[in-house]
Formats: sequence, structure tokens, C-alpha cells
Amino acid sequence: DGGITQSPKYLFRKEGQNVTLSCEQNLNHDAMYWYRQDPGQGLRLIYYSQIVNDFQKGDIAEGYSVSREKKESFPLTVTSAQKNPTAFYLCASSIDSRSLDTQYFGPGTRLTVL
Amino acid sequence: KNQVEQSPQSLIILEGKNCTLQCNYTVSPFSNLRWYKQDTGRGPVSLTIMTFSENTKSNGRYTATLDADTKQSSLHITASQLSDSASYICVVSARGGYQKVTFGTGTKLQVIP
Repeated sequence: DGGITQSPKYLFRKEGQNVTLSCEQNLNHDAMYWYRQDPGQGLRLIYYSQIVNDFQKGDIAEGYSVSREKKESFPLTVTSAQKNPTAFYLCASSIDSRSLDTQYFGPGTRLTVL
Repeated sequence: KNQVEQSPQSLIILEGKNCTLQCNYTVSPFSNLRWYKQDTGRGPVSLTIMTFSENTKSNGRYTATLDADTKQSSLHITASQLSDSASYICVVSARGGYQKVTFGTGTKLQVIP
């Protein structure tokens, strides 16, 4: 998984609760990303960060929030405003955000709302 | 709207046989095309990347082709192994950075003994 760790591997949440997914990388990469993967759909970009203390909304940012206080860490919070949060969440990083750079993905977190 | 379509949706082959997966895209302006392998419950791993000027790229038993004129790519797997069982995802990037990436839905390959 290329030096990217995600925790926990499985997460269960009650409706109305906020939960935070962890993503850490030791690759010294500037850019980090969060994707959501649903059955029968391609990965969809939630948020990305090109540098510390900066992040941008992706295609489906509503109901999610992120922070990038350290280069190594890019946690994702799934808020109660996210209407359908059950999914497989993937974090990735790359040297920078140029499209030719290879993205390295973490092992993923499977979130289930009870 | 940028789109990436993959076929077939799923495929079962016997160990040792070859197979070819297809990817058609409408992403513009085109920057590059990647193939990823994703084992069940894991993150995707990059297999190949091709830019506009490249039409073939190999990585061991995996060979990817790109026809930028027809906007088609294929991934050929030679002498399949049980460990090739996974989803294979075609990813196309438009010029402008990683915020302009479109993922296909993948082809789920199962290799059986």
C-alpha cells in the first residue's frame, strides 16, 4: 500500500454521528486525496490537498470535511449532513497534484451506517 | 461530460489463459491513461501509465495499449495466474491536475484453476 495507512479498516456509525477517518503517509508527498467507492461506480473525489494548510473540494464534498495541518496527515470527517455515508473510503497521495504523478492508495476504510 | 466505460463488467477465465479488458473514454483534453489493479477490500495499485504519444506499455504479464484517435485502451493479461483475480480500473486524466481524473467502474476478473 505504498507507505499510506488508513484507520480503522472497518467503522460503524449510528445515524446522526460524525466520524473521522484517519490517513497518514510517510512518502513525503505534497498532495493527498480522499475518494469514495460505491458498488458499480468509479471512484469519486471528495477532497484533495496540494499542500499543507490548503485543500479543495472535489466532486462530492457535501457532508464531508477535511484538515491538512501536517504534511503526513489528511483526516476526513464524515458529518451527519452526509445523507448516504455507507461506502468504501480510499485515501491517496502523490508527489504533487500534476496528473502524471502516480497516486499511491491506502488500504481503505469501510464505513457502515447502522 | 467526461466518461470512462469499461467492458466486460466481469470475466471468468481458466488459469494460464490470456484475456483482454477494454476501456473507452471521452475525457478531454486528454493527458494520460492508467490501469490499476484493485484486490478485494484493498486500495488500487498502478499497473501502467500512458500519455498521448505512447501506444503500448508493458509491466510483466500486463500489456496496455492506447489508441488516442479512437479513444480506446485495452489491458492484455498473458498466462493468467490465480493472483490476477481482482478488479482492473481504467483511469483517464484530463490536463489540469488530479482534480480532473475520471475513474472507470472496473472489470472484475476471476481466474479459476
